[in-house]
Amino acid sequence: NAGVTQTPKFRILKIGQSMTLQCTQDMNHNYMYWYRQDPGMGLKLIYYSVGAGITDKGEVPNGYNVSRSTTEDFPLRLELAAPSQTSVYFCASSYSIGRETQYFGPGTRLLVL
Amino acid sequence: AQTVTQSQPEMSVQEAETVTLSCTYDTSESDYYLFWYKQPPSRQMILVIRQEAYKQQNATENRFSVNFQKAAKSFSLKISDSQLGDAAMYFCAYRSSNQFYFGTGTSLTVIP
Repeated sequence: NAGVTQTPKFRILKIGQSMTLQCTQDMNHNYMYWYRQDPGMGLKLIYYSVGAGITDKGEVPNGYNVSRSTTEDFPLRLELAAPSQTSVYFCASSYSIGRETQYFGPGTRLLVL
Repeated sequence: AQTVTQSQPEMSVQEAETVTLSCTYDTSESDYYLFWYKQPPSRQMILVIRQEAYKQQNATENRFSVNFQKAAKSFSLKISDSQLGDAAMYFCAYRSSNQFYFGTGTSLTVIP
């Protein structure tokens, strides 16, 4: 059981480039989340999804886009990378929104230069 | 806006001793959930304990327990019989509806 997987583990982008961070979960969870963690800070919610075809904004959505075409996959798109998007990105999933445990992926470290 | 505050950037504890990590939050909601997550150097986030706001009884999970003071909006984590493997960053988190908010974390060092 792989849980939540994220690719790539590390990426360097130039300013203005685009990329997609991949996230896949094999636990048949309805809820999926994208967070960013800046150095010395807590996690901030970027986007979340409550099921295939349904997404909504979190606390810091600007500069990002998401889609959820299947239950398993929840990719995060950066269209025009900026230095302010240098961060570690975590994907997470949970079965329900009640007393749920969020299962986190290992994170993707992104450096924008 | 909801905020989560962890006022202790760093804490240390002797192995086998007890340590308490503090967390306060600000909300106008009545229905919410609170969590403590552990983040070891591997950066993986691991759920330690959770508390439903409507429950008066404090949650416990083995050596981990919380002191939930709803009126004071306080949610502290007590780690008993500290072990070397408890060394990590600990994040307090708040959830209401589908939104999550995390504190800035407390780095816990366990001294052998």
